[in-house]
Amino acid sequence: KQEVTQIPAALSVPEGENLVLNCSFTDSAIYNLQWFRQDPGKGLTSLLLIQSSQREQTSGRLNASLDKSSGRSTLYIAASQPGDSATYLCAVPFSGGYNKLIFGAGTRLAVHP
Amino acid sequence: EAGVAQSPRYKIIEKRQSVAFWCNPISGHATLYWYQQILGQGPKLLIQFQNNGVVDDSQLPKDRFSAERLKGVDSTLKIQPAKLEDSAVYLCASSLIAYDTGELFFGEGSRLTVL
Repeated sequence: KQEVTQIPAALSVPEGENLVLNCSFTDSAIYNLQWFRQDPGKGLTSLLLIQSSQREQTSGRLNASLDKSSGRSTLYIAASQPGDSATYLCAVPFSGGYNKLIFGAGTRLAVHP
Repeated sequence: EAGVAQSPRYKIIEKRQSVAFWCNPISGHATLYWYQQILGQGPKLLIQFQNNGVVDDSQLPKDRFSAERLKGVDSTLKIQPAKLEDSAVYLCASSLIAYDTGELFFGEGSRLTVL
């Protein structure tokens, strides 16, 4: 049974720091991994989608890596800003599924000026 | 391009009452999902539709939850009767097709409080 764990559960940092958020999953037979952002009271916004054949994806100050063999993904945020404050969730498809996603509980990030 | 639309955004009911949530996916998206997100947890899949057919409802509590997508476009999720533990945000999402490794797009959710 696929399980997704995110560490840390919460993070508070000063503006300008480089951050690493971690995601681990138990079943390495995944088609892709997605990172989402969720602002308070809002839905989820897709940040990065990494296909199983890829090792990493980049979008602006965000870089996500995927190591299927070890069951891990990392979201790197460069030069953090207060506007980055949100909850970051990673998700992988159910075993044998495609877009039926299993989510981690998220990392709640607060970036203070 | 319009995103996934959901209503109502907020609903407060008493236990044993019923409630319904509506979702309109992105135009052209054949696959629609309902997720339940309890405070402090990640979203959990309740049901997946491909056009107007159910692909997976294995995690839907069928004694009280029902969902339909009659014309293969918008969808309704109903809870009857509601329990305290149903307090959560109900998120609707859509994607082009089910058997695809593309992105999932989410609506802003419907927050349910059961008193």
